[in-house]
Formats: sequence, structure tokens, C-alpha cells
Amino acid sequence: KAGVTQTPRYLIKTRGQQVTLSCSPISGHRSVSWYQQTPGQGLQFLFEYFSETQRNKGNFPGRFSGRQFSNSRSEMNVSTLELGDSALYLCASSGPGTAEQYFGPGTRLTVT
Amino acid sequence: GIQVEQSPPDLILQEGANSTLRCNFSDSVNNLQWFHQNPWGQLINLFYIPSGTKQNGRLSATTVATERYSLLYISSSQTTDSGVYFCAVVKAAGNKLTFGGGTRVLVKP
Repeated sequence: KAGVTQTPRYLIKTRGQQVTLSCSPISGHRSVSWYQQTPGQGLQFLFEYFSETQRNKGNFPGRFSGRQFSNSRSEMNVSTLELGDSALYLCASSGPGTAEQYFGPGTRLTVT
Repeated sequence: GIQVEQSPPDLILQEGANSTLRCNFSDSVNNLQWFHQNPWGQLINLFYIPSGTKQNGRLSATTVATERYSLLYISSSQTTDSGVYFCAVVKAAGNKLTFGGGTRVLVKP
């Protein structure tokens, strides 16, 4: 089975722009969660989607949003980028019968 | 919210040494996972262990849920064990993982 995939792997954006990141979960997994990792704040939960519905949301501003499609693929969007949004964004999926989460390789976003 | 603390924050080992990493959490949890973050940033699953003991090769883990801690044991460490080890828990329904601050391990040849 293929693992969780994320695209793009690296991204450089300018302050004020917006960005969309994509995550494809393991086949059969319906839950997709997003996390942000920065040196200062560590790994923080952004949101979780299950069957196209947001099930949990972390403590991030409204500039961070997401969605999930009927094939369980998920996207997250960050609008009006700030320098502090530079981070590694990780996506995880979990499937039926287990709560164990599996992570993708991440998207490293740099905002200049 | 739930607090997760890992100790020690840094660990330097000589190849072949054994070590124990600890994860304390402030409330009862439904799930607990241990991860190893590789140099490229990907989190590699080590154990899914909400309670009990598991072993996988040179690694083993024990979670004592009633006392709110988990331990990760590395035996006969190798240089490839270097990296950051994270403990993460889920307190309630859903899949929101709360991570500890990690333990950075360096194994010297």
C-alpha cells in the first residue's frame, strides 16, 4: 500500500500571497489531519477532516483553512501569508479499525 | 488542554549503549504513539501503544496509562538511531494528536 503523499514538497512564497497544500491519504483512510511544525512552537494540530467534514480544529487564525474531497484527498490553504507561517506542514491519515496515524513526508513552506 | 512532557530534551550516546526516553502526560488518553523524525522531517511510526508493552527489534515501549507515562527503550544503539523522538497522545474522540517537545538523540560511533 502506498503511504501518505504530500505535494509540493518545497514551496517559497512572498508575504501576502496565499498557498494551497495537498495531501493524499493511504488508500481506504477517511481521516486526514494537518499539523504545523516550527522550531519555536513544535508540532501543533491544525485541523482534522473525516468524510469531508471538519471534525476537530486547532487554535490557528482563520487564514488557515482546509477541505476534504469525496476521495478523501485533502487540501489546506493559507491566505495572506506571514513570515511566521514558514514551517513544515505535515499531513496524517488514519483508517477504519485503528486510531494509529501515519504521516506524509511534509511540505516545507518558506515565506519571504 | 492536555500537556505532554518528554525527557530528557537531549541525549548523547555512544554506539552500543542503551537508553530510556520518558513521556509524561497530564490527563487520561485514548491513544499514544511514538515517532522518530528523520533528517528530512518525516515522522516514522515506532509504536502505537495506549497501554501495555510492545517490542520491535532493538526498540521497545511501555505505557502505564493509570500513572500517565510512557517509556521508549533503545537497546544497543546505532548511529542510524540519531534523530528526534516524539511522543504524542489523543485525549478525546477524534484524531487530534498533542505532541511532546521531543528528545533529540545523537549516537556517536
